[in-house]
Amino acid sequence: GQSLEQPSEVTAVEGAIVQINCTYQTSGFYGLSWYQQHDGGAPTFLSYNALDGLEETGRFSSFLSRSDSYGYLLLQELQMKDSASYFCAVANSGNTPLVFGKGTRLSVIA
Amino acid sequence: SQTIHQWPATLVQPVGSPLSLECTVEGTSNPNLYWYRQAAGRGLQLLFYSVGIGQISSEVPQNLSASRPQDRQFILSSKKLLLSDSGFYLCAWSVGAISSYEQYFGPGTRLTVT
Repeated sequence: GQSLEQPSEVTAVEGAIVQINCTYQTSGFYGLSWYQQHDGGAPTFLSYNALDGLEETGRFSSFLSRSDSYGYLLLQELQMKDSASYFCAVANSGNTPLVFGKGTRLSVIA
Repeated sequence: SQTIHQWPATLVQPVGSPLSLECTVEGTSNPNLYWYRQAAGRGLQLLFYSVGIGQISSEVPQNLSASRPQDRQFILSSKKLLLSDSGFYLCAWSVGAISSYEQYFGPGTRLTVT
């Protein structure tokens, strides 16, 4: 079967850096995606890692270690608007859709 | 540009009543289409996905069904709603393989079954 683990909640201070971890167990792993969802809104795509290493997109970066079955989303210079739920999702090489984690609720406090 | 529409935005239905939620995509052809359900404060549960007209794959056995009568139209239905069907229903689309890492979500329908 497939499983993804990520913390259910994280709290961080405005202006700080926060890391949201994701570990996965799956067969035919192809890559790891990250999505952001604000309360009442739709999930939106943030980033994707197919290779080991760090991908940077502005204040957000995503990291993948295929050998450790582990990835993380790094948010820098936190802003209040970053308060949202963040989902990691595994893409497999088989003909199956993305598998989403249960999400991490990030609260940014002043 | 591509857009995805879902309606209605909110719905309150009594237990035992039927359901029909509609999703349409504009600006792309041959999209993969997905239906998800999200309980309050919870993760995304994939319900159905489709790679083409009339082709539906079900992920979770339940009292819901899906249909794709046209290339860019995806419908979620139920003959008799249960209390447990309450939730936030999201439609999404992607291009390429069904395992595409990037999906585009619609605004969702919030369903309350009373």
